[in-house]
Amino acid sequence: AQSVTQPDIHITVSEGASLELRCNYSYGATPYLFWYVQSPGQGLQLLLKYFSGDTLVQGIKGFEAEFKRSQSSFNLRKPSVHWSDAAEYFCAVGPYNNNDMRFGAGTRLTVKP
Amino acid sequence: GAVVSQHPSWVICKSGTSVKIECRSLDFQATTMFWYRQFPKQSLMLMATSNEGSKATYEQGVEKDKFLINHASLTLSTLTVTSAHPEDSSFYICSARPGKRTSGELFFGEGSRLTVL
Repeated sequence: AQSVTQPDIHITVSEGASLELRCNYSYGATPYLFWYVQSPGQGLQLLLKYFSGDTLVQGIKGFEAEFKRSQSSFNLRKPSVHWSDAAEYFCAVGPYNNNDMRFGAGTRLTVKP
Repeated sequence: GAVVSQHPSWVICKSGTSVKIECRSLDFQATTMFWYRQFPKQSLMLMATSNEGSKATYEQGVEKDKFLINHASLTLSTLTVTSAHPEDSSFYICSARPGKRTSGELFFGEGSRLTVL
């Protein structure tokens, strides 16, 4: 079955530390992969996306993600976290029926001073 | 980038009344828009796909008579929660994809928080 899994519900890191958020997917073909960020009470903002080509993609706010087909993963990374990065992060995969995308359960990031 | 706007951002209503939420694509046309519902600390749950000029496609378990969707133009979709009850209280988010693309990123509205008293 097609699915998106974010194994970590909540992660806490210290400001300035590195970050990696995990995303695994199950999809019948080569997927389109996305990471979105959501601040409390807000909509979703696209951080980065992978369609094809270079498997290491750069996004906004210093984030990057690497597509690993052999591991069915698309983990999000940032070398040095800022307090403003505290938010909910969603991995998404598509397209699906009706050409929408499906979201993981989300990982809530807390940044300690 | 493409901008999607929702209105209202917050709405409080009495049980039994109906509430309309608008989703507009401000700088692009969207043949298809999507409506999601998000419970606290949970992911987005797709409710329905809104198709311009035709009926919406609802996900299994979503009552189409309760959640009325109208996509009357290429820049506007509306979600009407009819006869709202407290269990309908939630965060509703819409998204859209420019033009007639069938893949690629979605652009999201800011969300609308509905509280039913």
